[in-house]
Amino acid sequence: KAGVTQTPRYLIKTRGQQVTLSCSPISGHRSVSWYQQTPGQGLQFLFEYFSETQRNKGNFPGRFSGRQFSNSRSEMNVSTLELGDSALYLCASSLEQGGTGELFFGEGSRLTVL
Amino acid sequence: AQSVTQLGSHVSVSEGALVLLRCNYSSSVPPYLFWYVQYPNQGLQLLLKYTSAATLVKGINGFEAEFKKSETSFHLTKPSAHMSDAAEYFCAVSGGTGGYNKLIFGAGTRLAVHP
Repeated sequence: KAGVTQTPRYLIKTRGQQVTLSCSPISGHRSVSWYQQTPGQGLQFLFEYFSETQRNKGNFPGRFSGRQFSNSRSEMNVSTLELGDSALYLCASSLEQGGTGELFFGEGSRLTVL
Repeated sequence: AQSVTQLGSHVSVSEGALVLLRCNYSSSVPPYLFWYVQYPNQGLQLLLKYTSAATLVKGINGFEAEFKKSETSFHLTKPSAHMSDAAEYFCAVSGGTGGYNKLIFGAGTRLAVHP
């Protein structure tokens, strides 16, 4: 069974640009969550999607957005990039919303903003 | 609000020694608690979870953790460290207003294992 797949694995952008990251969950998983990992702030919850609807949102500015498609694949977008957006963005999938919190993580997309 | 405190950002042990990584949580509702491990340039892998069943939880790779409500702790232990255990370990809590799939992570503890 394939795990959570995130693309791209690495990318470099400049301030002011926007970026889109993609996540394919484990087959059969319908909930997708996104986390940001930085040395200074650690792991922080961005949002959770279930059945194409955002069910939960963390404390991030509106520049961070996401969506989920009917096949459960998810994308997140960051507009008007800032230096502080440099981070490892992790996607996690689980079987259902409101589950037991057992999340399966991808290897992440490492974003560098110059 | 829920929170997690991991005591010690770096822990160093000898191969074969006991591993003890400390985690204390704060939660206004009965929590679910987790330990995840992260190897360099990889995502997080679940080691074990507590979801209100047995208070002593056994996980993968010989790790276990004990839920102590009176101490609001969920410390991770392994009797004998292996070189392959060197990684960063994260304690996490869920179950608050964000639901059980919204994890609040601690700052992490980097475990070093030396020969």
